[in-house]
Amino acid sequence: AQSVTQPDIHITVSEGASLELRCNYSYGATPYLFWYVQSPGQGLQLLLKYFSGDTLVQGIKGFEAEFKRSQSSFNLRKPSVHWSDAAEYFCAVGAGQTGANNLFFGTGTRLTVIP
Amino acid sequence: EPEVTQTPSHQVTQMGQEVILRCVPISNHLYFYWYRQILGQKVEFLVSFYNNEISEKSEIFDDQFSVERPDGSNFTLKIRSTKLEDSAMYFCASKFGQGAAGELFFGEGSRLTVL
Repeated sequence: AQSVTQPDIHITVSEGASLELRCNYSYGATPYLFWYVQSPGQGLQLLLKYFSGDTLVQGIKGFEAEFKRSQSSFNLRKPSVHWSDAAEYFCAVGAGQTGANNLFFGTGTRLTVIP
Repeated sequence: EPEVTQTPSHQVTQMGQEVILRCVPISNHLYFYWYRQILGQKVEFLVSFYNNEISEKSEIFDDQFSVERPDGSNFTLKIRSTKLEDSAMYFCASKFGQGAAGELFFGEGSRLTVL
């Protein structure tokens, strides 16, 4: 069965510091992996996705993520965090016949950015 | 930029009452979804809808739930007789194409509180 684990419930970083949010997945086939961000009062916005090819994927807002099959991980990174990055971040794995018909989400990591 | 819109943003209802949550997907999208997020828990897939029928549903989506696309623009989720445990944020999502190529666009959510 598909599952996603985000081990960090809450992370606090200083503005300008680097960020890494962890995500581990469990899926029997080649995974389709996603990171979404949810700002307060907003819907879920896609940051980036991995389907195949280069294991380092670039997303919007300066985020990147690296797919590591050997570790079943898809960690999200940003070299320098901005105050506007404070939000909830969700990792998800795509499942279903074509791999992206529905998504299984992790429990999310809430990011707080301090000045 | 096109977006998925949901109404109401917040609904409070008594246990046992019927609730209809409404969504207007992006106009040229063909695949429609409902997800929910119980407070403090992960976002969970409920149902997907294509070509005027349910294509996939989770075990959460029991007989109390139904979906409909009554007029070609709205996509509704009905809960026939609400229970306390139905209290959650409900997200509508849509995408244009099937499979990995289609990005899932989410609405801002409808918060349902069952008293």
